[in-house]
Amino acid sequence: ETGVTQTPRHLVMGMTNKKSLKCEQHLGHNAMYWYKQSAKKPLELMFVYSLEERVENNSVPSRFSPECPNSSHLFLHLHTLQPEDSALYLCASSLQVPGDGDYGYTFGSGTRLTVV
Amino acid sequence: AQTVTQSQPEMSVQEAETVTLSCTYDTSESNYYLFWYKQPPSRQMILVIRQEAYKQQNATENRFSVNFQKAAKSFSLKISDSQLGDTAMYFCAFAPIYGNNRLAFGKGNQVVVIP
Repeated sequence: ETGVTQTPRHLVMGMTNKKSLKCEQHLGHNAMYWYKQSAKKPLELMFVYSLEERVENNSVPSRFSPECPNSSHLFLHLHTLQPEDSALYLCASSLQVPGDGDYGYTFGSGTRLTVV
Repeated sequence: AQTVTQSQPEMSVQEAETVTLSCTYDTSESNYYLFWYKQPPSRQMILVIRQEAYKQQNATENRFSVNFQKAAKSFSLKISDSQLGDTAMYFCAFAPIYGNNRLAFGKGNQVVVIP
């Protein structure tokens, strides 16, 4: 475990379902991120939260809805997804401002999402 | 926007041998971080090594070392004495120090260590 915990590890959902992905970190980080990882593609940054405020939304469809209730928790609410949304969803955290030496993103193990 | 390019899709290496992964990037920033991340089949994205662009000395971390050529915008990773546990996807990543410090990733290199 790296300090970033994602649940569930696997999720299968129908196109009409509503589900949520959860991410939790207790590393003292104040920025959190959702990434989508599809086969044969670079990681795609979806959302960025800095100090619990959404600062970036990279043209993500509205069927993905993030929520950051505090600096330790991040959610991704899913509804009416499409089969092409099947992917590995990774959460990461970092310090908002790089300090000297130990800056970097810490990732969770991801949620493998399959939309049927 | 920054772009990161990794051009060797899959590489095989014998156990105990050395393998080098290449990475180039494009940026107008002068201060930034470069990273190599490893993603084994367990899916955990693990930080392997980090380089600050203002440091001329190449970073090393046990069997992992980098060759950082700032002028050429090149950042290669050398894995020495390869072990079976090194089998993974390796991602090169870039983050500017100031302003938008988002990580930009390359597409990844698959490394397979053969016994």
